[in-house]
Amino acid sequence: EIVLTQSPGTLSLSPGERTTLYCRASQSVSSNYLTWYQQKPGQAPRLLIYGASSRATGIPDRFSGSGSGTDFSLTISRLEPEDFAVYYCQQYGSSPLTFGGGTKVEIK
Amino acid sequence: QVQLVQSGAEVKKPGASVKVSCKASGYTFTNYYIHWVRQAPGQGLEWMGRINPNRGDTIYAQKFQGRVTMTRDTSVSTAYLELRRLRSDDTAVYYCATEYYYDSRGYYFAAQGFFQHWGQGALVTVSS
Repeated sequence: EIVLTQSPGTLSLSPGERTTLYCRASQSVSSNYLTWYQQKPGQAPRLLIYGASSRATGIPDRFSGSGSGTDFSLTISRLEPEDFAVYYCQQYGSSPLTFGGGTKVEIK
Repeated sequence: QVQLVQSGAEVKKPGASVKVSCKASGYTFTNYYIHWVRQAPGQGLEWMGRINPNRGDTIYAQKFQGRVTMTRDTSVSTAYLELRRLRSDDTAVYYCATEYYYDSRGYYFAAQGFFQHWGQGALVTVSS
């Protein structure tokens, strides 16, 4: 099973700032099959990025994903008020599918 | 539009079973796998397994083997998750999600393990 470790656990930031979230896999993720989700309280996760770097339908271009192998990142170029949430990475390159523990992006 | 509508909240006693439903609409139900993911209060996401709605074959996460059954009824485009021998640490929101993915250019395809569309979640509380 691939273990995904996200860092940092929490980010305290202000609107307008740029930030990068990290996701490290315990072994190489096949075909860079890695996604990022955003989740707000009481809501289901929202798909942001798939295939490590492809933006999902309707996702603003301030969100970008990069990385390969075992190291991946999600960058938000300029935080909007609605971006404060928890972000999860997930790998789908091998079974079982696994998720990272999440990074909370909170308002400073 | 694509919708996954799940059954309501449940309260169960330890040792009991629960069955959660997930009704799909807006796409061809039998063409795309349905996955189940759960989230304990204040915790992260945990994949439980998936079902092929066309043939009914399943893959379960090892942690749940022997306690979980995923089924479907194609006549009503609905998938089901049954979890048996409930424990207090099974208290969680249970989500279904489909592999149906719709691209902004008008294409759709099977996402093969990631999820654009999720149900609203069903809270299962296990308490004596």
